[in-house]
Amino acid sequence: KAGVTQTPRYLIKTRGQQVTLSCSPISGHRSVSWYQQTPGQGLQFLFEYFSETQRNKGNFPGRFSGRQFSNSRSEMNVSTLELGDSALYLCASSWGREKETQYFGPGTRLLVL
Amino acid sequence: AQTVTQSQPEMSVQEAETVTLSCTYDTSESNYYLFWYKQPPSRQMILVIRQEAYKQQNATENRFSVNFQKAAKSFSLKISDSQLGDTAMYFCAFLNDYKLSFGAGTTVTVRA
Repeated sequence: KAGVTQTPRYLIKTRGQQVTLSCSPISGHRSVSWYQQTPGQGLQFLFEYFSETQRNKGNFPGRFSGRQFSNSRSEMNVSTLELGDSALYLCASSWGREKETQYFGPGTRLLVL
Repeated sequence: AQTVTQSQPEMSVQEAETVTLSCTYDTSESNYYLFWYKQPPSRQMILVIRQEAYKQQNATENRFSVNFQKAAKSFSLKISDSQLGDTAMYFCAFLNDYKLSFGAGTTVTVRA
């Protein structure tokens, strides 16, 4: 079974631009979660989607948004990029019940110049 | 809110030896799940082991085992017969409300 896939793998943007990252979950998984990883803040939860509905959200500004499609694929968008948004963005999927293992994709490395 | 603490930023171990990573957490929940993930230089986050809080038996996965002390809110990972491929950053994580809360990580280096 194919794992979680994320596109693109690497991205370079400039301040003020916006970016969209994509995540395709493991086949059959209906929950997708997003995490930001930086050297300073570590791993932080952004949001989680299940059946196109956001069930939980982390403490990030409104510039960070996401959505999920009917096929469970998810996108996250960051508008008005700041230097501090440079990070590894990880997506994870699970079947969708509350206490279930999340399986991670390879991540998208975003560099904001 | 749950907090997860990993007090060892770095550890080094000789190949074939054993190393133990510590993790403590804080929660008011009674039923929860704990995980150890590893992140090698490729940055891919890989599940190592998981423990369900209602199970008293400690989880094991091949050379990886945990010592789960619920009352002390402690969840340590033991890597036995360390291999060069175990070199990675290891994260302890607490799952609640569809969200994983991670510790700061412990970098493990296995020496040949």
